[in-house]
Amino acid sequence: DGGITQSPKYLFRKEGQNVTLSCEQNLNHDAMYWYRQDPGQGLRLIYYSQIVNDFQKGDIAEGYSVSREKKESFPLTVTSAQKNPTAFYLCASKQGTYGYTFGSGTRLTVV
Amino acid sequence: GQQVMQIPQYQHVQEGEDFTTYCNSSTTLSNIQWYKQRPGGHPVFLIQLVKSGEVKKQKRLTFQFGEAKKNSSLHITATQTTDVGTYFCAGTGGYQKVTFGTGTKLQVIP
Repeated sequence: DGGITQSPKYLFRKEGQNVTLSCEQNLNHDAMYWYRQDPGQGLRLIYYSQIVNDFQKGDIAEGYSVSREKKESFPLTVTSAQKNPTAFYLCASKQGTYGYTFGSGTRLTVV
Repeated sequence: GQQVMQIPQYQHVQEGEDFTTYCNSSTTLSNIQWYKQRPGGHPVFLIQLVKSGEVKKQKRLTFQFGEAKKNSSLHITATQTTDVGTYFCAGTGGYQKVTFGTGTKLQVIP
């Protein structure tokens, strides 16, 4: 079945550490997205990519970085510059103007 | 910038009662989408509305897009425990920017 796979499901980060969240899709979608979800808030866009080797900052890109070397993959790195990284991170893809397909998410906690 | 407000934030209903969540945008939208997120899960796409005044139904769910394309609603008739979750709207505005509402968390009491 086609879909989006995010790993790991849970991730613990120490202060000052960089961590990378994986996102892989086999839907052949051109566009991929990273969203952050905090309790009581809607989804906020971190980065998006509409084509391989190109990506744009979203509303809350500071402290994050991405790459898009393959159509199927869009990893997100949470750097030590992100002061409040504890959140639920959702990767999504879509084709055209239709709805997003989301992965199952990664819960990141700073310890 | 574009803002999308969603009310209420929480709603508790007895099983069998109806439920409605409302979404209001500060700008005119080209389309609006609705998603459902079960507790501990991820958002799942439900539907997209594009036309002014459009109404779509999915079994017990009725979705409406306002005439001015700035507001939308989701109505669930005779709620069931399987309807529990958070319902999000997502509006597409200028430059194809998508903004998610803050969500309405629905709890159904058996």
